[in-house]
Amino acid sequence: DQQVKQNSPSLSVQEGRISILNCDYTNSMFDYFLWYKKYPAEGPTFLISISSIKDKNEDGRFTVFLNKSAKHLSLHIVPSQPGDSAVYFCAACATDSWGKFQFGAGTQVVVTP
Amino acid sequence: NAGVMQNPRHLVRRRGQEARLRCSPMKGHSHVYWYRQLPEEGLKFMVYLQKENIIDESGMPKERFSAEFPKEGPSILRIQQVVRGDSAAYFCASSPSGQHYGYTFGSGTRLTVV
Repeated sequence: DQQVKQNSPSLSVQEGRISILNCDYTNSMFDYFLWYKKYPAEGPTFLISISSIKDKNEDGRFTVFLNKSAKHLSLHIVPSQPGDSAVYFCAACATDSWGKFQFGAGTQVVVTP
Repeated sequence: NAGVMQNPRHLVRRRGQEARLRCSPMKGHSHVYWYRQLPEEGLKFMVYLQKENIIDESGMPKERFSAEFPKEGPSILRIQQVVRGDSAAYFCASSPSGQHYGYTFGSGTRLTVV
C-alpha cells in the first residue's frame, strides 16, 4: 500500500518563480518528514525535514509546510533556479520505525529560462 | 570524508546468476539501510542493519534476497537466482547511531538482468 503519495509526476516552472510540490500521507503514525532531491544516476540528496511538532521549517530558498489534520505537506522553492531541475521525493517515517522511510513516487521539476 | 560508497555502479547479470551489491557507510556511521527503486517508482525500503545485526527486514522479499553487515567490511545485499523483475536501482543509506540528521544515500547500483 502506498502510504506516501505525490500525485503530480511533473512540474514545469519558470526561473525566478515559485515551485510548489505536494505530498499526502495516510499513516497517522508518521511524525517525521523529509524532502530529497535526486539527479539522474545519483543518489537522493537530503534537502529539508520537518517533525510533526512543527508546521513550518525554512532553510534558505526551501520551506516545508506540514498540515497534520489534512495529512499533507508541501515544499516551496523560491525563487526557482535552473539547478533545481531534478526529481523531488517526499519521505516519511514513524518514531517506532526509525530509519524505515516511506517514499513517494517523486515529482520531476523542470525549471525553464 | 568520503560519502556512502556503493559498488559496482552498474551490474549486469543473466537470469539465474547471483548478484552481490556492496555498500560502505560513511565513516562513523553504524546503521545501514537498503532501498530499491523500480522504474517510475519511488524508493522502497528493504532492510535496516547495524553491525552484525538485522534490525528490520520487513521490506525484503521472502526468497532469494539476503543482507548482512559484518563486523568488518561493507554491507552486502545478495540476490540469488536473479530474475528480470529484479532489475532496478538499489540504494544504500547510512546514518549515525539513532540520529535523524546525517541519513545519507549512496549513488546506487543499477542492476540489469538479461
